[in-house]
Amino acid sequence: YVVTQPPSVSVAPGQTARLTCGGRNIDGRSVHWYQKRPGQAPVLVLYDDTDRPSGIPERFSGSNSGNTATLTISRVEAGDEADYYCHVWDSSSDHPGVIGGGTKLTVL
Amino acid sequence: EELLVESGGGLVQPGRSLRLSCAASGFMFEEFVMHWVRQAPGKGLEWVSSISSDSNFIAYADSVRGRFTISRDNGKKSLILQMNSLRAEDMAFYFCAKGSKSWYHNNWFDPWGQGTLVTVSS
Repeated sequence: YVVTQPPSVSVAPGQTARLTCGGRNIDGRSVHWYQKRPGQAPVLVLYDDTDRPSGIPERFSGSNSGNTATLTISRVEAGDEADYYCHVWDSSSDHPGVIGGGTKLTVL
Repeated sequence: EELLVESGGGLVQPGRSLRLSCAASGFMFEEFVMHWVRQAPGKGLEWVSSISSDSNFIAYADSVRGRFTISRDNGKKSLILQMNSLRAEDMAFYFCAKGSKSWYHNNWFDPWGQGTLVTVSS
């Protein structure tokens, strides 16, 4: 299974960023999202399409429909600038850990 | 607090071996699937390998299969990645991450360790 992300997204502070993750019939799978800042460990920001771990702001939300899962960041702040990765666990595969190529979110 | 700490990274020549360790604390290590993910300089995250709680299920990325071996010692709460025949393209930060309780349930990676750097160069 393969998931595809656009390389970059740019948004002004206070606006809404929508980061997509494409995959065939991805709405039949659960998608997880990670934030990766330079020099830091990745952080889980959404799991099971829409659930936020404790400590993640409500500004982070998700959806999954058809062939596209989306991470939406509302009221974007400068501190949200990072790389974001989507991830699917394909337990029936020889390669269950499927991670997208990542999207660089730039806050203008 | 759930904590993962990797160790064992360093500079190694092509073709040589390196053993990474990941020490877990703050959760019942023996109950969870564990994972290795790496990030090469300037590249994205790449899933490397996963192991079920009882070591009955193991999987590898094609890029490392046959050269890397994942294992775990539940008594010592430790995850291991034995890396043999290292190549320049294996140079990366290696992160361990905690998964779910079952191989067949959704496995998201949380938390992650801080990573250990493997440099492959002559």
